Amino acid sequence: QKEVEQDPGPLSVPEGAIVSLNCTYSNSAFQYFMWYRQYSRKGPELLMYTYSSGNKEDGRFTAQVDKSSKYISLFIRDSQPSDSATYLCAMSEISNYQLIWGAGTKLIIKP
Amino acid sequence: DAGVIQSPRHEVTEMGQEVTLRCKPISGHNSLFWYRQTMMRGLELLIYFNNNVPIDDSGMPEDRFSAKMPNASFSTLKIQPSEPRDSAVYFCASSLTGTNTEAFFGQGTRLTVV
Repeated sequence: QKEVEQDPGPLSVPEGAIVSLNCTYSNSAFQYFMWYRQYSRKGPELLMYTYSSGNKEDGRFTAQVDKSSKYISLFIRDSQPSDSATYLCAMSEISNYQLIWGAGTKLIIKP
Repeated sequence: DAGVIQSPRHEVTEMGQEVTLRCKPISGHNSLFWYRQTMMRGLELLIYFNNNVPIDDSGMPEDRFSAKMPNASFSTLKIQPSEPRDSAVYFCASSLTGTNTEAFFGQGTRLTVV
């Protein structure tokens, strides 16, 4: 079993829909939780990060961490075709440079 | 700042040849990471430098791979001799804090070994 599990998709939804992307993990020592977005033939870019549990909101994006269930989510409201990309979750322990990555979910927003 | 700059963007080489990938991190960042990305294995950390010193190279697949960081503004990843299974996209990333929390990635080098 991988430390971080993420459904690779693809996930295809119509424009304007609410998107839910998820990762599960097994290491209870993880404290930093990140979402990166990667467009085709580009490098990953940090979208959001959360320390420990709770929610964080940034515009149309909301990140949630449920440490009791070892489950993190990224919600995208009012999805746009420009949101079409691969979304990777990543996480690490405190003061540990080593990020553990999910496989990435390919998201397609249909106009 | 132009961000993390990698060169070349694409490299096609024959098996057995030496390949050198280059990276210029963001000015002022003190940590640098080399990653490899494939469909099968996703993103894998190859090596991590902090203040130009290699801290963890446990991800380097074998002795054919080597990395250097002679100064704060330049790093190389070398594969010698290259093999077809080395075909992947290689990313360089840099960060300010020494953790991966806010690492900035370059555009990557797409390597094809035939």
